[in-house]
Amino acid sequence: DAGITQSPRHKVTETGTPVTLRCHQTENHRYMYWYRQDPGHGLRLIHYSYGVKDTDKGEVSDGYSVSRSKTEDFLLTLESATSSQTSVYFCAISVRGGEAFFGQGTRLTVV
Amino acid sequence: DQQVKQNSPSLSVQEGRISILNCDYTNSMFDYFLWYKKYPAEGPTFLISISSIKDKNEDGRFTVFLNKSAKHLSLHIVPSQPGDSAVYFCAASSGNKAAGNKLTFGGGTRVLVKP
Repeated sequence: DAGITQSPRHKVTETGTPVTLRCHQTENHRYMYWYRQDPGHGLRLIHYSYGVKDTDKGEVSDGYSVSRSKTEDFLLTLESATSSQTSVYFCAISVRGGEAFFGQGTRLTVV
Repeated sequence: DQQVKQNSPSLSVQEGRISILNCDYTNSMFDYFLWYKKYPAEGPTFLISISSIKDKNEDGRFTVFLNKSAKHLSLHIVPSQPGDSAVYFCAASSGNKAAGNKLTFGGGTRVLVKP
């Protein structure tokens, strides 16, 4: 168990409001990722981080920002939530050569 | 344009028989391939992987085959068990380790193993 925790696990928010999802790891891994899962699309990379204050965009980064001020925490922010951002969000860390270990996920509903 | 595709959204198989899941990719820079299993309300869990220098990797009931010329990989589960009922994702990454191991996923195949 790589000790990765996502919070909250579920959230309902209104269109136009800001939302922040948190990913916390206890194992001091360098690389952290945020993915979203949608039917038919599998998981798609939103943003990733390769160290404190070092982040970069993934495949579907529009409308999202991230921050990593500490090794253990990686935050995903929806600046102004839209219905298209209703999804399940997964945080992940790289634990070995190519594997990623995923958190339990956050189900976000934007109404 | 999806770089990793799983063309079968679902698969139903009898317990004890073989499950074969397929995955195609288009990016020739991919050099590492993985399969993940996902149960409802849980995160994906790593199942098995294969490097592009190999054409087969086996772990218990799970075997992954890679055909680089066809840009195709498959996962075989033998024998299938009811607990194998889940969604399976194929994923790939390239050799750019400066970016860690960013994974590109297929759309998933839902497997149902009938008792």
